[in-house]
Amino acid sequence: QVQLQESGPGLVKPSQTLSLTCTVSGGSISSGGYYWSWIRQHPGKGLEWIGYIYYSGSTYYNPSLKSRVTISVDTSKNQFSLKLSSVTAADTAVYYCARAEYYDRTFDPWGQGTLVTVSS
Amino acid sequence: QSVLTQPPSVSAAPGQKVTISCSGSSSNIGNNYVSWYQQLPGTAPKLLIYDNNKRPSGIPDRFSGSKSGTSATLGITGLQTGDEADYYCGTWDSSLSAGGVFGGGTKLTVL
Repeated sequence: QVQLQESGPGLVKPSQTLSLTCTVSGGSISSGGYYWSWIRQHPGKGLEWIGYIYYSGSTYYNPSLKSRVTISVDTSKNQFSLKLSSVTAADTAVYYCARAEYYDRTFDPWGQGTLVTVSS
Repeated sequence: QSVLTQPPSVSAAPGQKVTISCSGSSSNIGNNYVSWYQQLPGTAPKLLIYDNNKRPSGIPDRFSGSKSGTSATLGITGLQTGDEADYYCGTWDSSLSAGGVFGGGTKLTVL
């Protein structure tokens, strides 16, 4: 079955760019039918959708983060990535990657998540 | 402030039934499928219900979902201590600020 795994630095300095990669195994990003997604969860808080990308490169972003977010895909490596620029302490969160069904945007499966702390 | 509204907490005794509500609007729940996720302590969310009322393979029929108008409900029967978790509803919002939206989460305590 499809599995997702996030990777990237756990500590980022304020004003810098947060960069994470999600590696997909057990299935191909290029097969279509899914959006490849990023979701975050602030400590002790609920879930916040960041955005997603289709294998063709089409992207959809949360309007509240759109000016700072870039999601890209590398089909040759079966990976997709998140860049969040100009981070502040408010961006400290657990970041999850997940696959979303194309027709109903159900998120399944999810990666295990990675904690990113923004601090100097 | 989440787009979808859930009660912060619910509780019930083992073996009992509990329901968790999720309220939205015509731009989200009213015109899109609802899904439900279970997040056990220290773990990633896991899909429980999709397309309003369907269960993925491996999810017991103790878990059920329903939708009416701009609200959705998750039901759990035969409560077990292992059901203690945070539960989130989610859907798509088709308004000008389109995107994925979630409820604020409901903490289920099995007394």
